[in-house]
Amino acid sequence: GQSLEQPSEVTAVEGAIVQINCTYQTSGFYGLSWYQQHDGGAPTFLSYNALDGLEETGRFSSFLSRSDSYGYLLLQELQMKDSASYFCAVRDNGAGGFKTIFGAGTRLFVKA
Amino acid sequence: EAEVAQSPRYKITEKSQAVAFWCDPISGHATLYWYRQILGQGPELLVQFQDESVVDDSQLPKDRFSAERLKGVDSTLKIQPAELGDSAMYLCASSLRQGHEQYFGPGTRLTVT
Repeated sequence: GQSLEQPSEVTAVEGAIVQINCTYQTSGFYGLSWYQQHDGGAPTFLSYNALDGLEETGRFSSFLSRSDSYGYLLLQELQMKDSASYFCAVRDNGAGGFKTIFGAGTRLFVKA
Repeated sequence: EAEVAQSPRYKITEKSQAVAFWCDPISGHATLYWYRQILGQGPELLVQFQDESVVDDSQLPKDRFSAERLKGVDSTLKIQPAELGDSAMYLCASSLRQGHEQYFGPGTRLTVT
């Protein structure tokens, strides 16, 4: 079957660095995405990794290790507005074509 | 900036009634997704279209849910009859053909009483 695991909650202080981990299990792994969702809002795309390594986009970076079935999202210089839920999502290439499976999400609380 | 449109934003209905949601994806996006999101959980894919064809509806409760995208542009998701457990946020998203980046609409918050 397919499964993703990420911590349910993470708390950090403003200006700090936080890492949100994601482990996955899927048969047709193609890539790993990260989405941000504020309370009451829609998910917005942050990053995508198809190959091993680190992808950097401003204060956010995402890492993937295909051999370990593991990835993480790194948020630097945390700001209060970063308080939100963060979802890892596996892009799976199965018999029916590409499919995206979302994790349960990690709720990030940024404290002053 | 192009956006995915959804309506209504909020819907309250009584159980056993029918309800329908509408989604207009970003122009040129061939792939359209309907997700259900329960509070505190991640989006769960209900149905995925490529143009007007369904490519995945394995998680769609087909006894009560139906979805169509007749002309390969906008789409409608219907529930009949609604049950209390259907209360959730229904999200529509679109992407370029084979694209990995999905653009989400604001969602429809459904409450079944």
